[in-house]
Amino acid sequence: AQTVTQSQPEMSVQEAETVTLSCTYDTSENNYYLFWYKQPPSRQMILVIRQEAYKQQNATENRFSVNFQKAAKSFSLKISDSQLGDTAMYFCAFMKRDLTTSGTYKYIFGTGTRLKVLA
Amino acid sequence: DAGITQSPRHKVTETGTPVTLRCHQTENHRYMYWYRQDPGHGLRLIHYSYGVKDTDKGEVSDGYSVSRSKTEDFLLTLESATSSQTSVYFCAISGGPTGIPLAKNIQYFGAGTRLSVL
Repeated sequence: AQTVTQSQPEMSVQEAETVTLSCTYDTSENNYYLFWYKQPPSRQMILVIRQEAYKQQNATENRFSVNFQKAAKSFSLKISDSQLGDTAMYFCAFMKRDLTTSGTYKYIFGTGTRLKVLA
Repeated sequence: DAGITQSPRHKVTETGTPVTLRCHQTENHRYMYWYRQDPGHGLRLIHYSYGVKDTDKGEVSDGYSVSRSKTEDFLLTLESATSSQTSVYFCAISGGPTGIPLAKNIQYFGAGTRLSVL
């Protein structure tokens, strides 16, 4: 069974600094996707970034980038130039398609890292 | 906003009473999911649906049932609520509408329902 581990329950960073959130996962699959979701105090789950496992190039979205190490099963999120609005819970998620149930997309989430950006 | 509405947004109920949470989508996504979020556990899958009247259990399905009679609606029922079911419940959709393949594997979430069972 797939598992997703976020070993940092809480982190803090100074405004304008860079912070890296770690995520490791365990799977025997070769084709899958990885995601980072952000959950601000409003509770809404917001997609931050997505990575396809078959792509070697790391995904980037403005100030957000990932370091995807497929062999090591590691998927860390780097936030550059941190802003107060980045304060949130961040969830790493693994997704694969389950071909035994009509192709359902199955997602497994880590336990989250609570990030606080300090002024 | 991915066109997902959860209702109610907040509910307080008593132990032993039935509770139904509703998820409504306007995006024509094939797959729908119910999760619960608890401190220290992240999001855990309760049930999911892969089509009208096609549902299956997730990792924490005990005490919950679901129904999907229309593409746009996915109901989660707690037949007899217990205090351990106090949680925040999220509905999610994925699979994408026809014609937008790149969005298919992204999961979009509703705003959540905070349920307190006293």
